[in-house]
Amino acid sequence: GAVVSQHPSWVICKSGTSVKIECRSLDFQATTMFWYRQFPKQSLMLMATSNEGSKATYEQGVEKDKFLINHASLTLSTLTVTSAHPEDSSFYICSARAEGASPLHFGNGTRLTVT
Amino acid sequence: AQSVAQPEDQVNVAEGNPLTVKCTYSVSGNPYLFWYVQYPNRGLQFLLKYITGDNLVKGSYGFEAEFNKSQTSFHLKKPSALVSDSALYFCAVQPLGGGADGLTFGKGTHLIIQP
Repeated sequence: GAVVSQHPSWVICKSGTSVKIECRSLDFQATTMFWYRQFPKQSLMLMATSNEGSKATYEQGVEKDKFLINHASLTLSTLTVTSAHPEDSSFYICSARAEGASPLHFGNGTRLTVT
Repeated sequence: AQSVAQPEDQVNVAEGNPLTVKCTYSVSGNPYLFWYVQYPNRGLQFLLKYITGDNLVKGSYGFEAEFNKSQTSFHLKKPSALVSDSALYFCAVQPLGGGADGLTFGKGTHLIIQP
């Protein structure tokens, strides 16, 4: 149980375009989902907390107008990278938790390459 | 604010030998502690967690970790390493409140098991 599906697994886009990444909890409901970014050979950096039915909470230094998060239902959160640039190229990972003290379950990540 | 330290970038162990991946943490109050494993270009897989109770926690794939409050450590261990254990390992901490808080990750430790 507790499967998180992330799509797409990889995407290549041109500079200036927007890219949407989906994160779904398949067998549980998640009022809160988390979006992380991982640079090569580095740890995961929390970008934002996605709250169902309300605005996302962004970490310091993360541009909310560039990384749009929508948590439309208890099983779906989306991250849209708007007007992507090469420096946005990275590995993006979402996660969700079924309840307070349970572990976070992670999607398989999305490798974004902006050319 | 909480933090996690993984002092070793890389740990090399011969197959069949015991392994230890170190982790220390800093958090106000009592923590929730987690270990995750990441294979190349994939999301994170949950290994084990400490919430409360027995200081020795057993997890997936034969891994275990020992919570030491006085040393604020949560080292990951396995009695006999397998080549397939080679991966990137992350220690993470969550404040006792749990709930909507995301995890704070260590920088990760590359575990290399040599045949």
